[in-house]
Amino acid sequence: QQQVKQSPQSLIVQKGGISIINCAYENTAFDYFPWYQQFPGKGPALLIAIRPDVSEKKEGRFTISFNKSAKQFSLHIMDSQPGDSATYFCAAKALSGGYNKLIFGAGTRLAVHP
Amino acid sequence: DGGITQSPKYLFRKEGQNVTLSCEQNLNHDAMYWYRQDPGQGLRLIYYSQIVNDFQKGDIAEGYSVSREKKESFPLTVTSAQKNPTAFYLCASKDIDGYTFGSGTRLTVV
Repeated sequence: QQQVKQSPQSLIVQKGGISIINCAYENTAFDYFPWYQQFPGKGPALLIAIRPDVSEKKEGRFTISFNKSAKQFSLHIMDSQPGDSATYFCAAKALSGGYNKLIFGAGTRLAVHP
Repeated sequence: DGGITQSPKYLFRKEGQNVTLSCEQNLNHDAMYWYRQDPGQGLRLIYYSQIVNDFQKGDIAEGYSVSREKKESFPLTVTSAQKNPTAFYLCASKDIDGYTFGSGTRLTVV
């Protein structure tokens, strides 16, 4: 119940295309859903996040779509650029033992070809 | 600049050795975390600490130990009991605005 399932494992998109990464969860107690971007040899950096009372959040070319009833959320990258090539992780926050913990998906390696 | 500093960036361990990974933050965050990253498995929580002198086991704590004697420091020791320590280790801290990660330490057993 604590898992976050992420797909696809890898994704290749042409420059200017739309990249879509999907995540699904089981625990209805999750109340915060961030996406992280990680470049090789670096730590993840927060990209965008959403709370379950909102169905969509957009920041520049990045959009999170959230479907509470289906327990799914997705990241859309519009007009994908080669500089977007990175590994993307979805995550969900749960309260466990009185402490907040982030549960991460397995990651999606995105390659944007020029 | 505020942030999290992990050192060293690369670390090599011989069989049977204990090694300690450093994590220092100047963000004045109370909560700190250690994650392990393996290819295709995302980030798995090793240990976390909400306040000084307190820490809790995460999902994969066996073979690891931590201390939290100062707010800004949360070192991780990989002991000889950890049978498969080769991985990328990430330290993070958290405040109300979210998590900040360090640049990681890549540990390799030789």
